[in-house]
Amino acid sequence: NAGVTQTPKFRVLKTGQSMTLLCAQDMNHEYMYWYRQDPGMGLRLIHYSVGEGTTAKGEVPDGYNVSRLKKQNFLLGLESAAPSQTSVYFCASSFRYEQYFGPGTRLTVT
Amino acid sequence: QQQVKQSPQSLIVQKGGISIINCAYENTAFDYFPWYQQFPGKGPALLIAIRPDVSEKKEGRFTISFNKSAKQFSLHIMDSQPGDSATYFCAASRSFTDSWGKLQFGAGTQVVVTP
Repeated sequence: NAGVTQTPKFRVLKTGQSMTLLCAQDMNHEYMYWYRQDPGMGLRLIHYSVGEGTTAKGEVPDGYNVSRLKKQNFLLGLESAAPSQTSVYFCASSFRYEQYFGPGTRLTVT
Repeated sequence: QQQVKQSPQSLIVQKGGISIINCAYENTAFDYFPWYQQFPGKGPALLIAIRPDVSEKKEGRFTISFNKSAKQFSLHIMDSQPGDSATYFCAASRSFTDSWGKLQFGAGTQVVVTP
């Protein structure tokens, strides 16, 4: 039972490049979330999903897109990376209130 | 603007001491208040949570105190241990059917427990 896994763990991008972060959960949770964590700002919600095939915007969605084609996977895409997107990205899943977080992806955009 | 304000930013406590972290909120529609613990290089993990119909919840050495009228809640870590050294985040959410569990996090408090 791996819980929530994220790939990759680290990535360095140049400005303008694109990439996709993958989140997978094996707990059969309906709800999945993408957050970014920046020093002094806590975790801020980027996008979330309430079930397979659904996505919705969170607090800071600009510059990101998401897809949830399968219940267990939630993908976060950056189409044209910017230095402001340098952050640690966390995925989480939940059955109800309690969210289970993955180990994070540290992304640096130069 | 952050809907949940957390203080202090950092805290150093001696082993055996009490760590106290405070959070304040404005939105009276919040009805779920969790605390998450995060170790370096790891994702946050739920530590303890409270609903507004109780004023205190205790789990082992960790206690949440909740003051609905003041719109404040706090985490107390009793008999702090070096293994408690971590970053702690308070959070808040509206009812699940309204919010789908979306959490508003505080900025975090880095706690260091010295031997």
